[in-house]
Amino acid sequence: QVQLQESGPGLVKPSETLSLTCTVSGGDVSTDYWSWIRQPPGKGLEWIGNMYFRGRTNYNPSLKSRVTLSVDTSKNVFSLRLNSVTAADTAVYYCTRDNGGSLQNWFDPWGQGTLVTVSS
Amino acid sequence: SSELTQDPGVSVALGQTVRISCQGDNLRSNYASWYQHKPGQAPLLVIYGKNNRPSGIPDRFSGSTSGNTASLTITGAQAEDEADYYCNSRDISGYHYVFGTGTKVIVL
Repeated sequence: QVQLQESGPGLVKPSETLSLTCTVSGGDVSTDYWSWIRQPPGKGLEWIGNMYFRGRTNYNPSLKSRVTLSVDTSKNVFSLRLNSVTAADTAVYYCTRDNGGSLQNWFDPWGQGTLVTVSS
Repeated sequence: SSELTQDPGVSVALGQTVRISCQGDNLRSNYASWYQHKPGQAPLLVIYGKNNRPSGIPDRFSGSTSGNTASLTITGAQAEDEADYYCNSRDISGYHYVFGTGTKVIVL
């Protein structure tokens, strides 16, 4: 059974870079697509982007200029970097596996989520 | 448009049936998946594809699609079903995903 766990700083200063890692256990990061999703306080879910271990990535157009996703197969983790953060990037960040194909897709399982606050 | 629109909230009496809708042009070419989200917890997949339930999801949850509208139905709602529900699908480009605006379900 695949389990995911996010880790990283809970507090980031404005204009700096948010960096999170998702550790995959019970599965292989090199066999699937993996996504990051976030939820700002009081708002809905927002897809950030996904990646495949061979370097194929897709980013939310609204975040594309600031986001980088990467994978480290030796550690079985995948990572998110979001630069030039503002208070609007304060959110609970989730990592999840991206399943399915061209007609149907679903996110499962999910990490427990980690709150990142952007504040000086 | 690649937006997915949901009603903000709905209430249902205990044991009754509630249907949550999700509208978007992208649903004409991609199935929606549905997520139950409770405060302090990770979202939980409840329906994906045409009408598939992951292991462990009660059969009172079902999904359907007609035209540009996907629906999640809870038949015989229980107190533990009170949560926010989000739909999700690929956008028109096919390369990105978009979540619905979310529906808060209150069980009376």
